[in-house]
Amino acid sequence: DAGVIQSPRHEVTEMGQEVTLRCKPISGHDYLFWYRQTMMRGLELLIYFNNNVPIDDSGMPEDRFSAKMPNASFSTLKIQPSEPRDSAVYFCASSLRLGQGTTGAFFGQGTRLTVV
Amino acid sequence: GQQLNQSPQSMFIQEGEDVSMNCTSSSIFNTWLWYKQDPGEGPVLLIALYKAGELTSNGRLTAQFGITRKDSFLNISASIPSDVGIYFCAGTKNTGNQFYFGTGTSLTVIP
Repeated sequence: DAGVIQSPRHEVTEMGQEVTLRCKPISGHDYLFWYRQTMMRGLELLIYFNNNVPIDDSGMPEDRFSAKMPNASFSTLKIQPSEPRDSAVYFCASSLRLGQGTTGAFFGQGTRLTVV
Repeated sequence: GQQLNQSPQSMFIQEGEDVSMNCTSSSIFNTWLWYKQDPGEGPVLLIALYKAGELTSNGRLTAQFGITRKDSFLNISASIPSDVGIYFCAGTKNTGNQFYFGTGTSLTVIP
């Protein structure tokens, strides 16, 4: 398996524009996570899905952020409209299972988003 | 979400030295994980721990699941330049609803 695949690797956009980040999880993994990483706040969980269903979106900063998982092999994180404070590295990760006996979350290479 | 506290926040060591770092929480965890993040990459899983007191090695890395289940430790022996990066601990609770990540320890190895 190629691992978790994210695109694009880098995105530079102007404030107010819509940004869409994409993720392909590892085949067979039931859980998909979106994280945001910044120097100030570290790794923050934004939302996670189980079997394509959003389970916990309490980490989504505000209504400008939305995430979808239309099928088991694809997810998107959309920011509309984008703001400079959204600049960060966004990671997608997938996992076979959570809780006792988990083998952990496998991360993509991330998307570095810069909003100017 | 809950953050796990890692210490130290950063370390600067000479090549060949041993490294110790730890991770603490106010809650009990049933799984502890240690990750390494290289610059410009996503975190990569190094070691997973499943039982209190468990000691697990991966090459020069050794991690332990604390007896209280509220902490974990990672040791790196005979450090080399490629050990440079940020090390994160993570854990899951009995409710198993997410991975909680630590604040990270940044390691610099001076050749």
